[in-house]
Amino acid sequence: AQKITQTQPGMFVQEKEAVTLDCTYDTSDPSYGLFWYKQPSSGEMIFLIYQGSYDQQNATEGRYSLNFQKARKSANLVISASQLGDSAMYFCAAILTGGGNKLTFGTGTQLKVEL
Amino acid sequence: DVKVTQSSRYLVKRTGEKVFLECVQDMDHENMFWYRQDPGLGLRLIYFSYDVKMKEKGDIPEGYSVSREKKERFSLILESASTNQTSMYLCASSLVSSGFGNQPQHFGDGTRLSIL
Repeated sequence: AQKITQTQPGMFVQEKEAVTLDCTYDTSDPSYGLFWYKQPSSGEMIFLIYQGSYDQQNATEGRYSLNFQKARKSANLVISASQLGDSAMYFCAAILTGGGNKLTFGTGTQLKVEL
Repeated sequence: DVKVTQSSRYLVKRTGEKVFLECVQDMDHENMFWYRQDPGLGLRLIYFSYDVKMKEKGDIPEGYSVSREKKERFSLILESASTNQTSMYLCASSLVSSGFGNQPQHFGDGTRLSIL
């Protein structure tokens, strides 16, 4: 069964520093997609970044990058130069080709950026 | 930009009522999804649909049904609301993924439903 694990319920980071949010996944499928979403306190889910299982390079989107280690089945999100507006809940998720476009989510990490 | 609109941000209903949550997307996406979100449990898939009049059960379909009569609209129905269905409900839509699961889901703002 597919499973996404986020082991950090909460994280603190100082403004302007980098932070890494951990995510591991469990699958035997060779083809899959990994996603990170941000959920501010207002509730909407915002798509941040995508990594395909066959992608050779780590995905980057502005201040977000994904540290993809396929052999370890990990897909950690790195946020550089943290800003106060980055304070939110962050979810790791995955789509398996065998899952028919279904997205499975981890339980999330609450990030708090401090001055 | 993709726009997914949920009919209500907040909703209060009574046990036993039939409750309808509506979701509309404006990007001609084939796939639509309903999730519920509870603290410590993340998002759990209730139902999804790949096409008009098609529906498939997700991980927690009990107590819910869905309707997709038009491509842009996906409705979640609580047949007889119970207090354990108090939750945040999120609707999402996406294009069909290729073999590499590469299409992100785009979410609405959510409906906070309270069943009294």
